[in-house]
Amino acid sequence: DTGVSQDPRHKITKRGQNVTFRCDPISEHNRLYWYRQTLGQGPEFLTYFQNEAQLEKSRLLSDRFSAERPKGSFSTLEIQRTEQGDSAMYLCASSPIGAGGPYEQYFGPGTRLTVT
Amino acid sequence: GNSVTQMEGPVTLSEEAFLTINCTYTATGYPSLFWYVQYPGEGLQLLLKATKADDKGSNKGFEATYRKETTSFHLEKGSVQVSDSAVYFCALSDTFGRGAQKLVFGQGTRLTINP
Repeated sequence: DTGVSQDPRHKITKRGQNVTFRCDPISEHNRLYWYRQTLGQGPEFLTYFQNEAQLEKSRLLSDRFSAERPKGSFSTLEIQRTEQGDSAMYLCASSPIGAGGPYEQYFGPGTRLTVT
Repeated sequence: GNSVTQMEGPVTLSEEAFLTINCTYTATGYPSLFWYVQYPGEGLQLLLKATKADDKGSNKGFEATYRKETTSFHLEKGSVQVSDSAVYFCALSDTFGRGAQKLVFGQGTRLTINP
């Protein structure tokens, strides 16, 4: 078990470009979450998958954002036409599924996006 | 909506001092409560949790008690070490069905322990 991994760790892009981030959850975890953390703030929920189904999306997730988890394993988060306000740390977390709970969400190291 | 308010930081203490980081919440229903810690250069890690009123979560010398009457979940440690320097986040679980939960975080409190 290598934990949740995210790639890249850092991304610098120019305003208007598209970016894509990848998250690899812990292998037996069915649930995968994306959060966004701006400087000096706590993480904010963006979206959640159970297996390959995207079951919840925050109002924070504008139509420029899209997330996928095509085979219920890794997930991608794409931001189209990036804006300076998108600069943030994007965090991925995963958790198991089953009766009872709440189950701990295990976080990856994050991808820091800087839009210039 | 549900929210978490944390004590403003940064907090600076000397080694072996007593630590309290205040956390209060607003929620409908009965959320679970968590403290997460973020060490420099690392991802968020769960420090402790409590799932119902009067539960006490504890780990690595840290403790927090779920107080429904005061809607609080304050983090305490009797004697801090330099290695406790990190950012601490209080969070609650906001269930959206199917047993899944999103976490609602406070803004974080940066703690620095001086030797």
